[in-house]
Amino acid sequence: SAVISQKPSRDICQRGTSLTIQCQVDSQVTMMFWYRQQPGQSLTLIATANQGSEATYESGFVIDKFPISRPNLTFSTLTVSNMSPEDSSIYLCSVVIGGDEQYFGPGTRLTVT
Amino acid sequence: SQQGEEDPQALSIQEGENATMNCSYKTSINNLQWYRQNSGRGLVHLILIRSNEREKHSGRLRVTLDTSKKSSSLLITASRAADTASYFCATDRGSTLGRLYFGRGTQLTVWP
Repeated sequence: SAVISQKPSRDICQRGTSLTIQCQVDSQVTMMFWYRQQPGQSLTLIATANQGSEATYESGFVIDKFPISRPNLTFSTLTVSNMSPEDSSIYLCSVVIGGDEQYFGPGTRLTVT
Repeated sequence: SQQGEEDPQALSIQEGENATMNCSYKTSINNLQWYRQNSGRGLVHLILIRSNEREKHSGRLRVTLDTSKKSSSLLITASRAADTASYFCATDRGSTLGRLYFGRGTQLTVWP
């Protein structure tokens, strides 16, 4: 497995502002992903964070709203831009280790007021 | 869109009893993974079962996979209060690693 950390663990933000979430992994990983879990819901994939190139977004998610950086094989950031209350969710980064097992970070709980 | 559906949505049992949760999915898969989530925190990886496997064990966990029925089950034996959590199944999309579809989850409550 891998040790995955996220910062911040939680935040309360005003609508219209932006928040950048960091994800750090204790080993180099090729594949890193960002997921969202809205209140009482399951997880939905936002995008694949590609090292050295632009992220690949899933249907319904766009770069202007969720810009992602992946400067190296152990680190990625997700920014939630121009936030509204509908963005209140838990945001989780995830990595694939050892072929196909997938592990998740502890999550960032975001509340937008 | 979501691929998996867990059944039941909620399960309440006494300590020492077994808990069985089911997951159905819609398309072909390479593998299926089960996760546990405590009170809206991060996901804990429990077990991965590949499409060519029918059963897998890990401690008190037993997972089965029936690809003909597109379904999987997670059995927790001799449950403990600490097993209280939400349990999710997640399937890959048959081609790309890491892009998982999650079911809605089963909320398991184990009473001491």
